[in-house]
Amino acid sequence: DAKTTQPPSMDCAEGRAANLPCNHSTISGNEYVYWYRQIHSQGPQYIIHGLKNNETNEMASLIITEDRKSSTLILPHATLRDTAVYYCIVRVHMEYGNKLVFGAGTILRVKS
Amino acid sequence: DTAVSQTPKYLVTQMGNDKSIKCEQNLGHDTMYWYKQDSKKFLKIMFSYNNKELIINETVPNRFSPKSPDKAHLNLHINSLELGDSAVYFCASSQGGLAGGVNTGELFFGEGSRLTVL
Repeated sequence: DAKTTQPPSMDCAEGRAANLPCNHSTISGNEYVYWYRQIHSQGPQYIIHGLKNNETNEMASLIITEDRKSSTLILPHATLRDTAVYYCIVRVHMEYGNKLVFGAGTILRVKS
Repeated sequence: DTAVSQTPKYLVTQMGNDKSIKCEQNLGHDTMYWYKQDSKKFLKIMFSYNNKELIINETVPNRFSPKSPDKAHLNLHINSLELGDSAVYFCASSQGGLAGGVNTGELFFGEGSRLTVL
């Protein structure tokens, strides 16, 4: 699986958009980009995933560059509850058994 | 209703003991996983089962033995506990494609079981 690189930490003001970058320059054509987050002492939570096109759901938007070598997760209006570790993962879709490999992630601190 | 539930949440035990952690999911998924998060906070997959069959088995000591009595349950038994086994163990589930569903890659995680070996 392709390796991802994320900044170790970021700060964001409450109510502003949080833009979390991820580099995955060795991504291959059939690898998806996933984002998960882990709020302190809780299990990881799925946020969003995409292949080529930009994606949006009720939690966030995922912007993938045209060459697919990087992506950005956007939390449009960050709240204090969005403070968490955010993981960017690339993975080939399998019929079953998703072996997601979690890196160090980005610690996002949302401040009032 | 909790989608993926693990018991116990906390477990403190002595070196050399044998312990089990249980996991149940009520999402109707056919694939379940065990992940380990150590003190450095890295999450690593240990095992994955699909419809009670082992499909992923990472380099994990033989002292760790998963058991899946049915596709809604995946238990983790650990023999001869060592200090290095202290960690938070997360169970997860997802819907695979074999059962006719679409594998979106979305894993649902439990709240974790914190194991402390003294």
